[in-house]
Amino acid sequence: DAKTTQPPSMDCAEGRAANLPCNHSTISGNEYVYWYRQIHSQGPQYIIHGLKNNETNEMASLIITEDRKSSTLILPHATLRDTAVYYCIVTTSGTYKYIFGTGTRLKVLA
Amino acid sequence: GAVVSQHPSWVICKSGTSVKIECRSLDFQATTMFWYRQFPKQSLMLMATSNEGSKATYEQGVEKDKFLINHASLTLSTLTVTSAHPEDSSFYICSAPGVEYRLDSPLHFGNGTRLTVT
Repeated sequence: DAKTTQPPSMDCAEGRAANLPCNHSTISGNEYVYWYRQIHSQGPQYIIHGLKNNETNEMASLIITEDRKSSTLILPHATLRDTAVYYCIVTTSGTYKYIFGTGTRLKVLA
Repeated sequence: GAVVSQHPSWVICKSGTSVKIECRSLDFQATTMFWYRQFPKQSLMLMATSNEGSKATYEQGVEKDKFLINHASLTLSTLTVTSAHPEDSSFYICSAPGVEYRLDSPLHFGNGTRLTVT
């Protein structure tokens, strides 16, 4: 079973920040949090990952709570092309056995 | 960045025939690749781990004789669906770690192959 829970769907207005939460209350000390998204009929696209510090790249920011039991993916200025299913995955580094949960279907509205 | 390429992107075959799907790492070597399957409106399910130079390891419930995996080189893994039936119709996706010497290197996924068995 997936170690994460996410809301099934969210809407966001175009140009606004999209904040996607993920709960991973059973995460252990050596497990990373990875975020991917899947646009319809394509393979998952890597977005960002982190261990305990907040991370930022050209696509998004990842905020991990101090107790590491939850995280939030932030898309700072959502566009229509960000409409996708977003997956939060927790796994031990180097194992690569990603277990996908049901993800959050984000719909960006014009 | 690391690119994983799959071929074909879609295939239609008749029941009882076999279909081969290729997965290539284009700009890096991958001693390990992973095969996933995704049914409509469902999440991805890991099928097997492909190991260069050795046998693949399959997840529980995946028939190894039906889904043959060959990892013949450091850049190519193939999945052959043997004696395909309509229930094998699905979206098959491969993946590989982008930078294998970094333990936290993320998986990079191909664009998938949609298999339809008639």
